[in-house]
Amino acid sequence: AQTVTQSQPEMSVQEAETVTLSCTYDTSENNYYLFWYKQPPSRQMILVIRQEAYKQQNATENRFSVNFQKAAKSFSLKISDSQLGDTAMYFCAFMNRDDKIIFGKGTRLHILP
Amino acid sequence: KAGVTQTPRYLIKTRGQQVTLSCSPISGHRSVSWYQQTPGQGLQFLFEYFSETQRNKGNFPGRFSGRQFSNSRSEMNVSTLELGDSALYLCASSGLGDTQYFGPGTRLTVL
Repeated sequence: AQTVTQSQPEMSVQEAETVTLSCTYDTSENNYYLFWYKQPPSRQMILVIRQEAYKQQNATENRFSVNFQKAAKSFSLKISDSQLGDTAMYFCAFMNRDDKIIFGKGTRLHILP
Repeated sequence: KAGVTQTPRYLIKTRGQQVTLSCSPISGHRSVSWYQQTPGQGLQFLFEYFSETQRNKGNFPGRFSGRQFSNSRSEMNVSTLELGDSALYLCASSGLGDTQYFGPGTRLTVL
């Protein structure tokens, strides 16, 4: 069975700093998708970034980028120039070919002024 | 495009009652998935519907059921509510093999 592990329950960084959130996963499949979702206090789950496993190039979306290491089954999220609005719960997620998503337990990120 | 909508946003029920939650997907999306989010268990997958058929199912008791209509709108039903069913219920829609986009959720409180 696939599993997703986020080893950092909570993190705090100063505004404008760079922060990296860790995620590892376990699967025997070769083709899959990985996601980072953000859930602010409003509870609305928002897609941050998506990575297809067959792509070697790391996905980037403005200040958000990932370090995808397929062999190590690692998928970390880097937030550059962090902003107060980045304060949220961040979930790493894995989706297999059956479109079933498995989420990690989440990392609560606090951006401090 | 309008996003995923869920109704109602908040519900208060008592033990033993049943409840129906509704989800309207993004236009053109045929897959709808449901998740339960609690502080203790995190986000857990309930089930997924595609073209009116249940395609995937999580490890929840039979009290949790769902259906999807021809317009892709979906409902989930929980019968004989228990205190432990208090949670945020999230619905997500997607195109085939694509990213899931989430609704704002329905917060269910069981007293």
